[in-house]
This record gives sequence, structure tokens and C-alpha cells, in this order.
Amino acid sequence: GAVVSQHPSRVICKSGTSVKIECRSLDFQATTMFWYRQFPKKSLMLMATSNEGSKATYEQGVEKDKFLINHASLTLSTLTVTSAHPEDSSFYICSARDLRGQGVSGQPQHFGDGTRLSIL
Amino acid sequence: AQKITQTQPGMFVQEKEAVTLDCTYDTSDPSYGLFWYKQPSSGEMIFLIYQGSYDQQNATEGRYSLNFQKARKSANLVISASQLGDSAMYFCAMREGQNQGGKLIFGQGTELSVKP
Repeated sequence: GAVVSQHPSRVICKSGTSVKIECRSLDFQATTMFWYRQFPKKSLMLMATSNEGSKATYEQGVEKDKFLINHASLTLSTLTVTSAHPEDSSFYICSARDLRGQGVSGQPQHFGDGTRLSIL
Repeated sequence: AQKITQTQPGMFVQEKEAVTLDCTYDTSDPSYGLFWYKQPSSGEMIFLIYQGSYDQQNATEGRYSLNFQKARKSANLVISASQLGDSAMYFCAMREGQNQGGKLIFGQGTELSVKP
């Protein structure tokens, strides 16, 4: 089945550092990828939609300059948390939609395993 | 307004028994899809089951079934013969329309604990 790889799985860094998270679709092309943020025991909140070859679409309230998204190829999207601060600590998870085999599967989104970001 | 509502923050079920996790949704789009995902403590999101708005029959996948009541706008997940490994967070999600970019809107989640 479709696989999405997310790297790194865990990051601990100092305040003020910029952190890059990668999301790769391993066996399918993804023109669209999604980035979510999740706090402990809470829901996934969509941050932005990453579009291959064009600018990302950010959800209301998400700082574009803080969370930079680049989708330079059909298999890779990156999220960069710029000048990270402790309040940016969270679980970040990406997903991609496999458009092959349309039909009963409902084209589910396939998720990476997430990145736990801790800013000291 | 909340588009996806899961009213059960936590649920307990005895091993081998069935459990129903509630999900209601709100949309004016006639075309939509409903999904259930499982999230163990390790964090990965595992796709369980899908129901399309035009599907006539309730979806089933192994021990998972979706009780789809369109008029009531509910899409409850039923897990039969619960196992200890079913303990996890469960999220209901909705995707609206055919050209909404495919983004999912998630409910608040239900934490299921299976007791031995």
C-alpha cells in the first residue's frame, strides 16, 4: 500500500533554531500534501495544504512566515519551523493523498509517522 | 461551527466485547466522505474505514463497521470483539466535495481503553 515517510521522528533543539521536517511519498506521486499539528490528547489541526510547484495554502491563523512549506517535487514536501520557540513544541504530522485506484477506498490520506518537536 | 463532533472523550470496553464510537458531522455539500483513523500512543495515523455520502450500504472492514445514518448525519464506528491492541485514540474525519483539495477535518477524538 501507499507509504508516506516523515523525517525526523523526534527533534529537540534550542529556542531560536530553525527546524526542517521532510515528508516523502515513497511509492506514489503526491501533487498535494497536508501538514497537521497535534497537541497531546487533542485533534489534528490542519496547518496548510502543500501544492507541488506552487505556493502552499495556509489555514486561517497559521503564520506563513513561521511555518515555511516547500513542495518542490511530486514526492517531497518540507515544513520549516523558523526561529522556533517553546510554544512551537508539538507533534507535526504530514499526509498525502494517493489518487490511484479511485473507488471504494475513498482515496484515504496516508500519514507519515509524525515528528515530535521539543524546543528548549 | 464544529463540523465533526465526537462527544466521547474516553471510552472503556471489556476485551472481546463490541464498542461503538460516536461521530456526527455537519455539511451542506451533498458529496462528502467520512473516515475513521486509529492513532496508537506511538503517534502514527492508521486508516480504518471509509464511507461515501452516496454509498447505499454501511462500510465494513474486518472487525470494523460504520453505522452510517445520513439523515441524522452520524457515522459511528463499531468495533466488534475488542482486543487489547485496540486501545488507542480514534478520530472521525470528513472530506467535503470532490474538489476541496482533499483536506480532512477531524473530530476531537475518542480515547478507547480495552480492559482485559
